Amino acid sequence: AQKVTQAQTEISVVEKEDVTLDCVYETRDTTYYLFWYKQPPSGELVFLIRRNSFDEQNEISGRYSWNFQKSTSSFNFTITASQVVDSAVYFCALSEGKNTDKLIFGTGTRLQVFP
Amino acid sequence: DGGITQSPKYLFRKEGQNVTLSCEQNLNHDAMYWYRQDPGQGLRLIYYSQIVNDFQKGDIAEGYSVSREKKESFPLTVTSAQKNPTAFYLCASSYRQGAGKTQYFGPGTRLLVL
Repeated sequence: AQKVTQAQTEISVVEKEDVTLDCVYETRDTTYYLFWYKQPPSGELVFLIRRNSFDEQNEISGRYSWNFQKSTSSFNFTITASQVVDSAVYFCALSEGKNTDKLIFGTGTRLQVFP
Repeated sequence: DGGITQSPKYLFRKEGQNVTLSCEQNLNHDAMYWYRQDPGQGLRLIYYSQIVNDFQKGDIAEGYSVSREKKESFPLTVTSAQKNPTAFYLCASSYRQGAGKTQYFGPGTRLLVL
């Protein structure tokens, strides 16, 4: 069965610290897609990244980077030099890429960045 | 600006009452989705629709109903059969073609029971 685990319920850091949010997934499919979304206090989910199972290249976008490792079924997200505006709940999600494109979400990690 | 709108932002329901949450998108997306979010939990899929006049149940469809008469609109009705409706409801949309499509979300509706 599909499953996404975000073991870190809440993380607190001080501004400018680096922080890594963990995501471990389970699927039997060879083709699948992984996503990260940010949910700021306003509530709307903001799309951050999509990665397919055939692309294990790490990705960097500004202060954000993602480390996809199929060997450990992990898709971790690192924020470098964190800022107060990074405070939000971050969700990792899995889609098996079939017609339904249903997303299976983890329970989220709440990140608090203090000045 | 293209996007997804949801209304109202807050909704109050009385016992035995049906209420309808609105979701509209102008992204020309074919597929639309409804999710429920409870405190400290991830999102769970209620219903989804890949094309007009067609929709499927998600993981927690009991007590909910939907319609898809127009491509742009996918309203969700929370019926009196839903015994614990207090939650944050998020609507999303995506292109239908291709696998692993990215879903884009609206701002959400918070439903509270009086």
